[in-house]
Amino acid sequence: ILNVEQSPQSLHVQEGDSTNFTCSFPSSNFYALHWYRWETAKSPEALFVMTLNGDEKKKGRISATLNTKEGYSYLYIKGSQPEDSATYLCALEYGNKLVFGAGTILRVKS
Amino acid sequence: DSGVTQTPKHLITATGQRVTLRCSPRSGDLSVYWYQQSLDQGLQFLIQYYNGEERAKGNILERFSAQQFPDLHSELNLSSLELGDSALYFCASSLDSYEQYFGPGTRLTVT
Repeated sequence: ILNVEQSPQSLHVQEGDSTNFTCSFPSSNFYALHWYRWETAKSPEALFVMTLNGDEKKKGRISATLNTKEGYSYLYIKGSQPEDSATYLCALEYGNKLVFGAGTILRVKS
Repeated sequence: DSGVTQTPKHLITATGQRVTLRCSPRSGDLSVYWYQQSLDQGLQFLIQYYNGEERAKGNILERFSAQQFPDLHSELNLSSLELGDSALYFCASSLDSYEQYFGPGTRLTVT
């Protein structure tokens, strides 16, 4: 089973700051890498799915990259807003299963 | 709103009991996934069904079972409940193996 590490565990930033977090994995033996946003008292919401080395995806102020050769994915948030406060989960998909990391908790102060 | 519904929202029951959690996937989605999130753990994959057939199994206890019915809704049965089974149980659905859409979850409390 692949071990998915996310860092940092938590992050506190000011409104307007740009930030990024990391998802690390030891092997590229997976089908896809997923990013989810999970707001308190809600359910996880899909952000991106990436499958190829070098993939870059963007949705508004949020973007993600995938480097399967070096074993990491970055999630970037440009100009953080209080509504971006959530836990950001990375998950690897293999064998029809999703293996989730522990997540990065982001708090954006206004 | 993801389009995935789960019932009930909350469930409180005693140790040794049996409960059934229900999930209705988004219209058109053939796959249903069940996840467990305990207090001190991240999201753990339990089991996946695709069009009525079990497709993948994760860390699902033998006391737990699931099925997907012809109308594609799914049920997760938890029996001989223990205190440690208290958790948030999510169902997710997808059309293919890409994005999964999560339901609101069922919070189970075993006393």
